[in-house]
Amino acid sequence: QVQLQESGPGLVKPSQTLSLTCTVSGGSISSGSYYWSWIRQPAGKGLEWIGRIYTSGSTNYNPSLKSRVTISVDTSKNQFSLNLSSVTAADTAVYYCARFHAIRGYFDYWGQGTLVTVSS
Amino acid sequence: QSALTQPPSASGSPGQSVTISCTGTSSDVGGYNYVSWYQQHPGKAPKLMIYEVTKRPSGVPDRFSGSKSGNTASLTVSGLQAEDEADYYCSSYAGSNNFVFGTGTKVTVL
Repeated sequence: QVQLQESGPGLVKPSQTLSLTCTVSGGSISSGSYYWSWIRQPAGKGLEWIGRIYTSGSTNYNPSLKSRVTISVDTSKNQFSLNLSSVTAADTAVYYCARFHAIRGYFDYWGQGTLVTVSS
Repeated sequence: QSALTQPPSASGSPGQSVTISCTGTSSDVGGYNYVSWYQQHPGKAPKLMIYEVTKRPSGVPDRFSGSKSGNTASLTVSGLQAEDEADYYCSSYAGSNNFVFGTGTKVTVL
């Protein structure tokens, strides 16, 4: 059973960089069938796709966040990471990591989510 | 890219059916058969319920079904049960390696 777990600071100051890591267990992040994604959800609001990375390091980002987002992968640790720069209060949200099926186009395994608050 | 449009709420009595719509454009829902649906209970991560418009993952009850017509996809929950009360989100491939979610629908079991 694949499991994903987000980790990182729960509080980030405005204008700084939000950094989160997702650790994958129960399966290899190097599997060729999947992308590894970040999704966020502000309190009481809907889901927003942030971006994804393939095991090769190839990335795709939401155009609305592209200028501030970097997703990277560390296959040796079975982890992938999110960096979001120049954060504001609007970036306060629960951040989820999720596995995305490359062929069938769905998110099948999700982390439990981690709340990141942007505040001074 | 804009979020797909879903009704804010839907409701039904136990045993009844409820259908949730997800309206996009020809650049997302209408252009691809990569529409999926997710169920989210309060404080929990979303759970995949439907993928590729109509397919159910193993373990999802056959009370859940999906369809699509033009730029609108739909999720139907038949034989509503108390545990079906949750938020539901659609998602679609939006071309150029982009993905978009719906605005979400809160389903209430009366």
